[in-house]
Amino acid sequence: AQKITQTQPGMFVQEKEAVTLDCTYDTSDPSYGLFWYKQPSSGEMIFLIYQGSYDQQNATEGRYSLNFQKARKSANLVISASQLGDSAMYFCAMRGSYGNNRLAFGKGNQVVVIP
Amino acid sequence: DTAVSQTPKYLVTQMGNDKSIKCEQNLGHDTMYWYKQDSKKFLKIMFSYNNKELIINETVPNRFSPKSPDKAHLNLHINSLELGDSAVYFCASSQNTDRGYGYTFGSGTRLTVV
Repeated sequence: AQKITQTQPGMFVQEKEAVTLDCTYDTSDPSYGLFWYKQPSSGEMIFLIYQGSYDQQNATEGRYSLNFQKARKSANLVISASQLGDSAMYFCAMRGSYGNNRLAFGKGNQVVVIP
Repeated sequence: DTAVSQTPKYLVTQMGNDKSIKCEQNLGHDTMYWYKQDSKKFLKIMFSYNNKELIINETVPNRFSPKSPDKAHLNLHINSLELGDSAVYFCASSQNTDRGYGYTFGSGTRLTVV
């Protein structure tokens, strides 16, 4: 079974600073994908970034980067130069292969960006 | 334009009623899902259909019944609604069941049972 762990309490971040959101996972699948989604107060789920378990380089998408440490089973999201619009819940998710191919989510991290 | 659309966006109903939530995707994806997000924001998968075939059926009360008339539509019917069914229900779709494909979510349906 897959397990995603996000344990940080709600975070306050100063505008323009960087923030790191922690995510650890557990799986027996040799091949898997890791995802981060953003859920603002309006409620929609917005895909941010993807990292494949065999990808050699850490994924980056604009201000988002994923610090992937496979041996530690961690996939932390880094948001650089925080903006007020980054205030949201952030969910880490994993999708395995074959029988474990559902997208399983962590419990989320609440981020509030303050001016 | 909307990739995954759900209707209605809000649904307020009394205990004991039967209600349906509809979902349609125009992405050409072959797999669709229903997720439930509880009051603590936890997202849990309920059902998944691949090309109209049920492939994931989590432990949910049998009052919940999904129906997929074609691969672009996945509806959720709920019988005898209970207070505990109050939640946000998300429909999602993906290209296939491969690990490299994330999900595209609908905007959610906030169900309130009173």
